[in-house]
Amino acid sequence: DGGITQSPKYLFRKEGQNVTLSCEQNLNHDAMYWYRQDPGQGLRLIYYSQIVNDFQKGDIAEGYSVSREKKESFPLTVTSAQKNPTAFYLCASSISTGLRNSPLHFGNGTRLTVT
Amino acid sequence: RKEVEQDPGPFNVPEGATVAFNCTYSNSASQSFFWYRQDCRKEPKLLMSVYSSGNEDGRFTAQLNRASQYISLLIRDSKLSDSATYLCVVNIEGTYKYIFGTGTRLKVLA
Repeated sequence: DGGITQSPKYLFRKEGQNVTLSCEQNLNHDAMYWYRQDPGQGLRLIYYSQIVNDFQKGDIAEGYSVSREKKESFPLTVTSAQKNPTAFYLCASSISTGLRNSPLHFGNGTRLTVT
Repeated sequence: RKEVEQDPGPFNVPEGATVAFNCTYSNSASQSFFWYRQDCRKEPKLLMSVYSSGNEDGRFTAQLNRASQYISLLIRDSKLSDSATYLCVVNIEGTYKYIFGTGTRLKVLA
């Protein structure tokens, strides 16, 4: 079955440590995204990538970095510069960007807790 | 004003009831519209896309009103398993930008 896999499901880190969240898809989608969800707020875009070896900042990119070396993979690194990293992180993909009626498909999320 | 607004609820309804949610959007360049369902501490899952002519999927009906800039979701014959948060999502024409509402919480009571 095609889908998006995020790992790990839960992650605990000490303040000041960088941490990398994995996201892999086998849907053959060109576009991939990272969102963050906080209680009472809509999903907010961190980074997105339209094709391999290209990515763009979203609305809240500060303190995060990404890479897109393979079509299937879009890992997110949460750096020590991110002021409030504790959140639910969601990876998503779509066939492409800008296509009409092209929904997002989500991974099962990584819940990061930084203490 | 938020770009996508939803009543947070909760909507508490008895099993078998019909319930409707609205979602308003402010960007007239909005092109594509979706309803997602999100269970507690889980990822959003696509419930249905919303087409201009309206569309139905079993007990669920979605409508789009471009003139008034809102979409709606109607759930008939509510089941306990329909209890979840329903997210309205809008995609801006020709872009990567998907804008999420904060969700409407539904509780179906036995």
